[in-house]
Amino acid sequence: SQTIHQWPATLVQPVGSPLSLECTVEGTSNPNLYWYRQAAGRGLQLLFYSVGIGQISSEVPQNLSASRPQDRQFILSSKKLLLSDSGFYLCAWSVRRGGAGGYTFGSGTRLTVV
Amino acid sequence: GQQVMQIPQYQHVQEGEDFTTYCNSSTTLSNIQWYKQRPGGHPVFLIQLVKSGEVKKQKRLTFQFGEAKKNSSLHITATQTTDVGTYFCAEPNSGYSTLTFGKGTMLLVSP
Repeated sequence: SQTIHQWPATLVQPVGSPLSLECTVEGTSNPNLYWYRQAAGRGLQLLFYSVGIGQISSEVPQNLSASRPQDRQFILSSKKLLLSDSGFYLCAWSVRRGGAGGYTFGSGTRLTVV
Repeated sequence: GQQVMQIPQYQHVQEGEDFTTYCNSSTTLSNIQWYKQRPGGHPVFLIQLVKSGEVKKQKRLTFQFGEAKKNSSLHITATQTTDVGTYFCAEPNSGYSTLTFGKGTMLLVSP
């Protein structure tokens, strides 16, 4: 069966520090991968998506970046965190492009920038 | 930009009462999906609706897709405390590359 792993679960980082969040999917190949951020207001904001290795599409210009170095690995990074980067970061995958049939989300990372 | 409007934002009910959340899109949709996020948890896929006028049931949950495929609803009959959480609808974006989520309806159920 397919599983998605996301870590760490919680993170407290100072302003200006770097960030690296990792997401891996097991039990499938060539998944469509997504990074979303959920702020306190509950909405899910799409940050990046990837349909294959090395293919990253950005939805929101900001100080975050994403990479997909392996088929089932999706990494979210920042060189210098801002206070506004605080939030709940969710990785998701889908079998079909665009999420038809549904997303499976990871358990998320709660990031607090102090 | 593309928006899916979801109402209400928040609802507090007594256990046993019914609950409904609605989503409206500005475009005709190929499909609409529903997710549930428990407090402190991550969204979990509930269902996808594809056909015009489609109605699907999962125990006490009834999902409907409008005839024009521009709106959808989730109805919970006789709520229980286990129904607490935020319910999101999601629609494909214009390029069919990702999903756009509504802002969600937060449901609180008092025993």
